[in-house]
Amino acid sequence: QKEVEQDPGPLSVPEGAIVSLNCTYSNSAFQYFMWYRQYSRKGPELLMYTYSSGNKEDGRFTAQVDKSSKYISLFIRDSQPSDSATYLCAMSDNSNYQLIWGAGTKLIIKP
Amino acid sequence: ETGVTQTPRHLVMGMTNKKSLKCEQHLGHNAMYWYKQSAKKPLELMFVYNFKEQTENNSVPSRFSPECPNSSHLFLHLHTLQPEDSALYLCASSQGTSRFGGELFFGEGSRLTVL
Repeated sequence: QKEVEQDPGPLSVPEGAIVSLNCTYSNSAFQYFMWYRQYSRKGPELLMYTYSSGNKEDGRFTAQVDKSSKYISLFIRDSQPSDSATYLCAMSDNSNYQLIWGAGTKLIIKP
Repeated sequence: ETGVTQTPRHLVMGMTNKKSLKCEQHLGHNAMYWYKQSAKKPLELMFVYNFKEQTENNSVPSRFSPECPNSSHLFLHLHTLQPEDSALYLCASSQGTSRFGGELFFGEGSRLTVL
């Protein structure tokens, strides 16, 4: 079993839709949860960071962590074609700074 | 130049060639990383340098040889590679290697094809 599971997609939705991207994990010690966005032919860039459980909102983006279910989500409201990218989840625990990554979900927003 | 820059962006090499990937960060960070990205696979951490000292080597084959002459520059020397080494090689930097790890700043990557 992989430490972090993420559906590679592609996920194709029409412009304006609400998008839900998800990762599940097996290590209950994970406390730091991140979402990185990677455009084609670019490196990943940090989009959202959450510590422990709860929600965090930044504009059209909401990151949600459910530690009891070992499940994290990224919601994108009013999706735009410019949101088309691969979204990578990453997480770490308190004892090891190394990030454990999901495989990434390719998202396509159709105009 | 700003951020993290990688050269070359694309590299094609035979299995007997020797080549090097270069990374330079202009962010004043102390830690630098090499990652391997293959299609539909999680990022694989290869090497970590903190203040020029190698702190991690994740069981990477010896045909990959890193070099960090200072906190701003990182090289990955390649020799006698295999076709399965074809991938996108990403360099990243961060302020430190804290427990959180801090935000990673990535370069655009070097796309390597081994024939």
